[in-house]
Amino acid sequence: QPVLTQSSSASASLGSSVKLTCTLSSGHSSYIIAWHQQQPGKAPRYLMNLEGSGSYNKGSGVPDRFSGSSSGADRYLTISNLQSEDEADYYCETWDSNTQVFGGGTKLTVL
Amino acid sequence: EVQLVESGGGLVQPGGSLRLSCATSGFTFSSYWLHWVRQAPGKGLVWVSRINNDGSSTNYADSVKGRFTISRDNAKNTLYLQMNSLRAEDTAVYYCARNIGAGIDIWGQGTMVTVSS
Repeated sequence: QPVLTQSSSASASLGSSVKLTCTLSSGHSSYIIAWHQQQPGKAPRYLMNLEGSGSYNKGSGVPDRFSGSSSGADRYLTISNLQSEDEADYYCETWDSNTQVFGGGTKLTVL
Repeated sequence: EVQLVESGGGLVQPGGSLRLSCATSGFTFSSYWLHWVRQAPGKGLVWVSRINNDGSSTNYADSVKGRFTISRDNAKNTLYLQMNSLRAEDTAVYYCARNIGAGIDIWGQGTMVTVSS
């Protein structure tokens, strides 16, 4: 089954950009993933799904500041013009015929 | 508006049972796969189980296989999770979630399950 690897933490300054990475395990580099945001004390929120080609589809109401891209087994979430409300945990998700998998999550701090 | 509303959480003793429900509205329930995902306090998201749109196919995480049963009632637009032989490590917020074929796209607000004596 696929495994997703994320850095445990990241930080960036207010108004700057940050690129979060989710890496698919060997043999699964073509898999589609989804990105989710979880603000403190809240339920997760779907941001987008992202293909290996770099094509992505965002959820309703997700700001234009959020974008996705891909390179090989890596899937990226880029947040531009960081706002204070972007401080949250970010999770990637993928699946196969038998299971659904989440990465360990990246805690983003906005400085 | 699409909504998923979980209920049924609470405090239960180790070895006990609990049934979670997820009432949905705002979409054609019978057209979507659904999931249960949990999150232990201070920890990350962990997938628990999923069910296909007509209930004929289910999958479980190894940690709950044989103890938890996912089911759905398409006439009532409701998803269920029957949890038996509960352990302390099952303590978590349990979320129901909708699948769009390219991942989860809608999350409920969650219900807390605490397993403790």
